[in-house]
Amino acid sequence: GENVEQHPSTLSVQEGDSAVIKCTYSDSASNYFPWYKQELGKGPQLIIDIRSNVGEKKDQRIAVTLNKTAKHFSLHITETQPEDSAVYFCAASRGGSTLGRLYFGRGTQLTVWP
Amino acid sequence: DVKVTQSSRYLVKRTGEKVFLECVQDMDHENMFWYRQDPGLGLRLIYFSYDVKMKEKGDIPEGYSVSREKKERFSLILESASTNQTSMYLCASSFGAGGSEQYFGPGTRLTVT
Repeated sequence: GENVEQHPSTLSVQEGDSAVIKCTYSDSASNYFPWYKQELGKGPQLIIDIRSNVGEKKDQRIAVTLNKTAKHFSLHITETQPEDSAVYFCAASRGGSTLGRLYFGRGTQLTVWP
Repeated sequence: DVKVTQSSRYLVKRTGEKVFLECVQDMDHENMFWYRQDPGLGLRLIYFSYDVKMKEKGDIPEGYSVSREKKERFSLILESASTNQTSMYLCASSFGAGGSEQYFGPGTRLTVT
């Protein structure tokens, strides 16, 4: 099966700085890579995703990049704010599979200090 | 908005008890999932279901079973709860095949004493 590794496990940044979280995957057939944000006391929520036919996707202050050759993808958050503090999970799956499961990384606790 | 609800936010059970965790989604999603979340281990898939009465084992199914009698409801059952099943349990649902957004419930914090 797929193996997704995520680094770092914890990340502290000053408000206004950028944060980068990196993930690698093992299954070359994976073609869908979402990122989820989990705030305290809540379930994870999708914040951005990318499919293997594109190399980069942006949504305001967040962006995701994908390198299919190296099998890694990254989340970039610019101009961080205290409300960005949360646990972030990367995931991978074979889009189009009838079973629809995601393989998650172990998560990154991001803390943004004011 | 998609809503995934879980029957309890907090649950305390004794070792050996049978425990039922219920999950209901209101968006007619085919797929439903049960995860366990532990510090440092991320989200681990216990079981999932892609149709009524269908189930698939995830990565850590031992000690658990599931039931899906109706499309909107997916139950996780701990036949005989043990202390190592103390954890946060998250339910999720999604529409269609892989590559679809999963919508999560708020989670149930289960403590087994």
